[in-house]
Amino acid sequence: AQSVAQPEDQVKVAEGNPLTVKCTYSVSGNPYLFWYVQYPNRGLQFLLKYITGDNLVKGSYGFEAEFNKSQTSFHLKKPSALVSDSALYFCAAYLWDSSYKLIFGSGTRLLVRP
Amino acid sequence: NAGVTQTPKFQVLKTGQSMTLQCAQDMNHNSMYWYRQDPGMGLRLIYYSASEGTTDKGEVPNGYNVSRLNKREFSLRLESAAPSQTSVYFCASSEISEQGYHEQYFGPGTRLTVT
Repeated sequence: AQSVAQPEDQVKVAEGNPLTVKCTYSVSGNPYLFWYVQYPNRGLQFLLKYITGDNLVKGSYGFEAEFNKSQTSFHLKKPSALVSDSALYFCAAYLWDSSYKLIFGSGTRLLVRP
Repeated sequence: NAGVTQTPKFQVLKTGQSMTLQCAQDMNHNSMYWYRQDPGMGLRLIYYSASEGTTDKGEVPNGYNVSRLNKREFSLRLESAAPSQTSVYFCASSEISEQGYHEQYFGPGTRLTVT
């Protein structure tokens, strides 16, 4: 079965430190991968995507993600965390079937301490 | 452009009541989706509509019905709400990107509580 896994329910970092939110995938065909963020009581906001090309993808709010085909991973990173980055982060993969849908990981809650 | 809009933003229902969640998009997209978000489970697809006049089941369709009223609007109906349907519901629409995949755009969500 095709799936996206986020192994950590929660990640805690101190402000100013680098952060990593992990994501691994298992999909058939070319992996098109996405990160979304959900702030409290808000909708989903698109952060970045990997389609083809450079394995390091840059997105909104200073986030980047590294695609690693051999490890089937797409980890989200930021060099210096902000308290305002505290939110729920979702990794997703596009399915190349008739539904055109995204499958999502279970989400990782990021807490950035002042 | 408003993008994807959803109404209502919040709703509390009693078990057995019915209601319809509304979704509209002004981007002229052909495809539309309904997802539900539950803690620890990410978003799961309930129903989708690949184009006007068609609807198909997703992963978790039981207890729901949908209507693709026209190209703009895609509604989700709960005929007899159950506590297990307490969730946040997201509508999305999509367009075909340059790379050939469906780029999805999400609405702000509807937070539904069934007591």
